[in-house]
Order: sequence, then C-alpha cells, then structure tokens
Amino acid sequence: IQLTQSPSFLSASVGDSITITCRASQGIGSYFAWYQQKPGKAPDLLIYDVSTLQTGVPSRFSGSGSGTEFSLTISGLQPEDFATYYCQQLHLYPLTFGGGTKVEIK
Amino acid sequence: EVQLVQSGAEAKKAGESLKISCQGSGYTFASYWIGWVRQMPGKGLEWMGIIYPRDSDTKYSPSFEGHVTISADKSSNTAYLQWSSLKASDSGIYYCARAAVPGIVNSLNIWGQGTMVAVSS
Repeated sequence: IQLTQSPSFLSASVGDSITITCRASQGIGSYFAWYQQKPGKAPDLLIYDVSTLQTGVPSRFSGSGSGTEFSLTISGLQPEDFATYYCQQLHLYPLTFGGGTKVEIK
Repeated sequence: EVQLVQSGAEAKKAGESLKISCQGSGYTFASYWIGWVRQMPGKGLEWMGIIYPRDSDTKYSPSFEGHVTISADKSSNTAYLQWSSLKASDSGIYYCARAAVPGIVNSLNIWGQGTMVAVSS
C-alpha cells in the first residue's frame, strides 16, 4: 500500500491551524498512525487507530479519516510543533510510511 | 521505564558485515513486536521489517528482504538487524521501534535512539 502525503512542505505561523493529508493506494482499516519527528531525534507517536491521541499528546492534535484518505490537523500551532510529520498504515504488510510533511515557521 | 537502547554508531566498508542491536527493558520483551526503520540522510522513514520475539515470526519489506536479517534473542531482550555484505547505499540512521500493544501492530510507540551506520565505498 502506497501512502501519498501532502503537502510535503508547509510554512505556517504560530496560532495557525493546519491539515496534513495522507492518501492510500487502496482502502485500509483502522490501523493508521501519525508521528512527529524533530531534527536529530527519533519519531514520536502522536495518533494511532486513525484518531486516538497518544497519552501526553496535546488536544490541539487530531486525526480523522477512513478508507483511502486520512488527515492530521493541528489547531493552533505552537512553537514546539514545527517538525516533520509522517503517516503510517499498519493494516497490511509491508507496513508503509508517507513521505513526510515538514512544517516550518513562516 | 519502558525503553529501547540501541548499539552505537558504526563506520564500515562496503562488503563488510554488520549486526546492530536494540535492547528492550521495562516490559515483557517477548510479547511485543519490534520493527526496524531506516532513515537515509535528509530523507523520510522507511519501514524495513518487524519481528515477534515470542515465536520469531518476521515480516520484511520487499525493499529490504534478502539484504538484511532481523532476529531476536528473548534471553537477552535484544532484537538485531544484520547485513552480510554492506553497500554504500546502506548508510543512514536505523531505528528500532516497539509496537504499542502486546501481540499486534497498530502503532509504534516506543523508539530507540537510533544507530547511525556509515558505509564507505
């Protein structure tokens, strides 16, 4: 299953709300996750099972979607949110990641 | 504390073999799938494969199958990623990551710190 993540780059300001989209090449179930990665660090799990927030993740992050289209929304960007975000499907092997979205400060 | 600790950075030559490790602690190692993810310099995440230590059931990405071997040792709570013949294109950071729920893979919630591998030609 291929995941096409868009946009690949996004410039935004503190306080903005943004949405990142991931499109799957075929329908997938509920095993879908989002990760945040900061430079020089391992990825952190943000959301799993499409829309469940990982413990400790702020409520400004939300996930939604079904079938072939999934999205991550950050409502009110904070300075610590500027990072690269990846989607991942865990429905079928081989598990796959999207290409990533780099969110930078405008 | 649940954590995965990976072995240190490696500098190798093309054609050499290599085995890197990922030791789990703070949980029942055998009960959780552990996967490996590659990140080439300046690039995105690539899923390589995953192993269930309890029975050594292993799944590989077609992109990596035949070039790497994933294994696990329950007695030492350690997962391994190995190459028998490295290529320069194997250079990158390799992360191990643990599934969030025992026995299934719905997300990867615990990550190692990464092992940098540099392969010169």
